[in-house]
Amino acid sequence: DAGITQSPRHKVTETGTPVTLRCHQTENHRYMYWYRQDPGHGLRLIHYSYGVKDTDKGEVSDGYSVSRSKTEDFLLTLESATSSQTSVYFCAIQMEFYSPLHFGNGTRLTVT
Amino acid sequence: TQLLEQSPQFLSIQEGENLTVYCNSSSVFSSLQWYRQEPGEGPVLLVTVVTGGEVKKLKRLTFQFGDARKDSSLHITAAQPGDTGLYLCAGNFGNEKLTFGTGTRLTIIP
Repeated sequence: DAGITQSPRHKVTETGTPVTLRCHQTENHRYMYWYRQDPGHGLRLIHYSYGVKDTDKGEVSDGYSVSRSKTEDFLLTLESATSSQTSVYFCAIQMEFYSPLHFGNGTRLTVT
Repeated sequence: TQLLEQSPQFLSIQEGENLTVYCNSSSVFSSLQWYRQEPGEGPVLLVTVVTGGEVKKLKRLTFQFGDARKDSSLHITAAQPGDTGLYLCAGNFGNEKLTFGTGTRLTIIP
């Protein structure tokens, strides 16, 4: 497996609370991505990063923010969690733009 | 956002049978990837196709990229229970980031 770790693997939180998910890689890949996976929607891109401090929005970025202060870490923050953000979140890394994605094993987030 | 349609959405067949799943778009792909995802894990790359008409084989799996680069198929011969999973296609359109299809959930019955 590519060296990519997501934490936590599971989290239950209440509506309105802040939540931060972490993605850590040991591959020194340039690109990092956060996706959410929901039944019937497949994988949808939330935010991505193409380098330290360089991030951009994906197709479902509302309610989410990201930070990348080091090559190896990409954080996803839900500032005020809502029930619609209940999902499985995947981090992925990519060496170059057209290279394959390597995924972590996901974080299952439940917002009650 | 470009749209990738995968069909069928669900497929359940007996061990030993053959099957084909499809990935279609109205736009031309720069490249297309197929991933398989097992429960509790992230998707894992199976293959990348780039050239129109390209055929790639991975043991019992055959991947075909349409001549016009708007569609792709995955054919599995003599399906095994280990083939069970969610099959996702993902395409690059021009210089845009990967767009994923909604997947085909395949179940192989022993």
